[in-house]
Amino acid sequence: NAGVTQTPKFRVLKTGQSMTLLCAQDMNHEYMYWYRQDPGMGLRLIHYSVGEGTTAKGEVPDGYNVSRLKKQNFLLGLESAAPSQTSVYFCASRTEGNSPLHFGNGTRLTVT
Amino acid sequence: KQEVTQIPAALSVPEGENLVLNCSFTDSAIYNLQWFRQDPGKGLTSLLLIQSSQREQTSGRLNASLDKSSGRSTLYIAASQPGDSATYLCAYAGGGGKLIFGQGTELSVKP
Repeated sequence: NAGVTQTPKFRVLKTGQSMTLLCAQDMNHEYMYWYRQDPGMGLRLIHYSVGEGTTAKGEVPDGYNVSRLKKQNFLLGLESAAPSQTSVYFCASRTEGNSPLHFGNGTRLTVT
Repeated sequence: KQEVTQIPAALSVPEGENLVLNCSFTDSAIYNLQWFRQDPGKGLTSLLLIQSSQREQTSGRLNASLDKSSGRSTLYIAASQPGDSATYLCAYAGGGGKLIFGQGTELSVKP
């Protein structure tokens, strides 16, 4: 059972570079989320999606863009990486509003 | 601004103790509240989910309660074991599909 898969697991970027983080789930979940986790800050919601073709802003959306072209995939893009975006990024999904959340194992991103 | 606060931030107890972790939230219109466990360098694992219409949920040595009127949830761990050492996070689901997390309680259970 793959569950929620995040790629890549690790990445180092230089300031100004761009990249896309991929989240894929094989559970036919409607809702998908991108969080970042920083020491002392907990998990903060970046963007989320309540279905294919939909996206919405979370608590800290600036500097990130997302797309949900296919139900099983949720992409997080950084157009021009900044050192402040150094973090661990987690993707999560669930079936609908009252179901448990399933997490991927995270992507550790360092921006130098 | 929707906020979730977890107290204490860190907790160290000897093996065998019963303990309580606290989670408070400001949004009264919640759909559910979920407790997670996170081991170092890993993702989050769901422990318990309490619907807004429920008062508590139990799984093994874990019991979670929800009091919407006071904006509080507690996670009770009975007879703690060293394997329970991890960070415990709560998150509530509000309107529109959002899920907001607290900062977590880092638990250490000493043998």
